Amino acid sequence: DSGVTQTPKHLITATGQRVTLRCSPRSGDLSVYWYQQSLDQGLQFLIQYYNGEERAKGNILERFSAQQFPDLHSELNLSSLELGDSALYFCASTGTSSTDTQYFGPGTRLTVL
Amino acid sequence: GQQVMQIPQYQHVQEGEDFTTYCNSSTTLSNIQWYKQRPGGHPVFLIQLVKSGEVKKQKRLTFQFGEAKKNSSLHITATQTTDVGTYFCAGPQGTSYGKLTFGQGTILTVHP
Repeated sequence: DSGVTQTPKHLITATGQRVTLRCSPRSGDLSVYWYQQSLDQGLQFLIQYYNGEERAKGNILERFSAQQFPDLHSELNLSSLELGDSALYFCASTGTSSTDTQYFGPGTRLTVL
Repeated sequence: GQQVMQIPQYQHVQEGEDFTTYCNSSTTLSNIQWYKQRPGGHPVFLIQLVKSGEVKKQKRLTFQFGEAKKNSSLHITATQTTDVGTYFCAGPQGTSYGKLTFGQGTILTVHP
């Protein structure tokens, strides 16, 4: 158990819909990262938040957005969903050091029908 | 931008055979990290290498960081079925605080 929690575990929805994925980092961790992993694909970095502020952006679509709240949990919002958005979405958290390792949550499997 | 390449993409071995995956970065890295993702699971941190030429061992796993700090390798001796999974290397991306660039991963299959 990494200490990072993600909900829900599974999500099945239809094209055009909007969903929200939630992540709670390890206790004390300030940074949250979101990744997308499609079938047989690597980890595609989406976005990073540090202590409530956006720190870095990766290949995140305009239909996707995220935020980190004062209690440090984070939400990833995916809208106007397309079939190709079906994937595993992981969040990871780290502490305050730039060399900190990332601790991954169990992921949310999104299926868009 | 920075790229981290891993080879091979897939590796099938018989149980007891050795396995090696290689990681190459387009830029010099301050450190390199390795993660393992079991089928159906999430990436789990294995190790971090920081020094040029560093070699670290974890039981049957040997990790190396190149002298130029641009490449790394993971070698597993006498693979077991429990070694099945995807192995990722990752390096810090430039000045982006804490952000890692992950390689595409090597998917290891071990046949009993």
